[in-house]
Amino acid sequence: DIQMTQSPSSLSASVGDRVTITCRASQSISSYLNWYQQKPGKAPKLLIYTASSLQSGVPSRFSGSGSGTDFTLTISSLQPEDFATYYCQQSYTTPPVTFGQGTKLEI
Amino acid sequence: EVQLVESGGGLVKPGGSLRLSCAASEFTFSSYTMNWVRQAPGKGLEWVSSISSSGSYIYYADSVKGRFTISRDNAKTSLYLQMNSLRAEDTAVYYCARDDYSSSCIDYWGQGTLVTVSS
Repeated sequence: DIQMTQSPSSLSASVGDRVTITCRASQSISSYLNWYQQKPGKAPKLLIYTASSLQSGVPSRFSGSGSGTDFTLTISSLQPEDFATYYCQQSYTTPPVTFGQGTKLEI
Repeated sequence: EVQLVESGGGLVKPGGSLRLSCAASEFTFSSYTMNWVRQAPGKGLEWVSSISSSGSYIYYADSVKGRFTISRDNAKTSLYLQMNSLRAEDTAVYYCARDDYSSSCIDYWGQGTLVTVSS
């Protein structure tokens, strides 16, 4: 199974900051990498698919990049509603679907 | 707007059984692979099972293989998860989630239903 490792596990930042979260796959997954945002008590929400495509309705301050084994999610200017936990997920080889362990973004 | 509404969660004793349901609407249910994904309290996301659009292809995580059974009824636009021989480690919020083949992602999630396995 492909393992996904996110870093950091938690991150403190301020409104207006530029933030980058990294996801590394245990083998090459081409561009089959997705990013989700989850707020407490809520279901995950798709932000970015196939590494860099912005899901409809997601603000343009979110962007994704990378291919192969290394990927990043960038939030260009943090807004109060962006404080949440972020997960990466590979869809190159499924099943099984595999997720990173999550990155908690805190104020 | 795509809607996925789970039901059937609750408190069950170890070794017990529970059947989860997911009612889907506002999309052509029979055209999509569907998944169950769970999240233990305070933990990350864990894929549980998936079923192809026709039901012909079914997959399970090793952690539930032999105990859980996924199924669907396309006429009723519903997804199910039969959970047997439940263990404490199965305690989690269970999400029903739609697979978007064209985007290679899970694009919609239900609100989740909590399953608690405890004596």
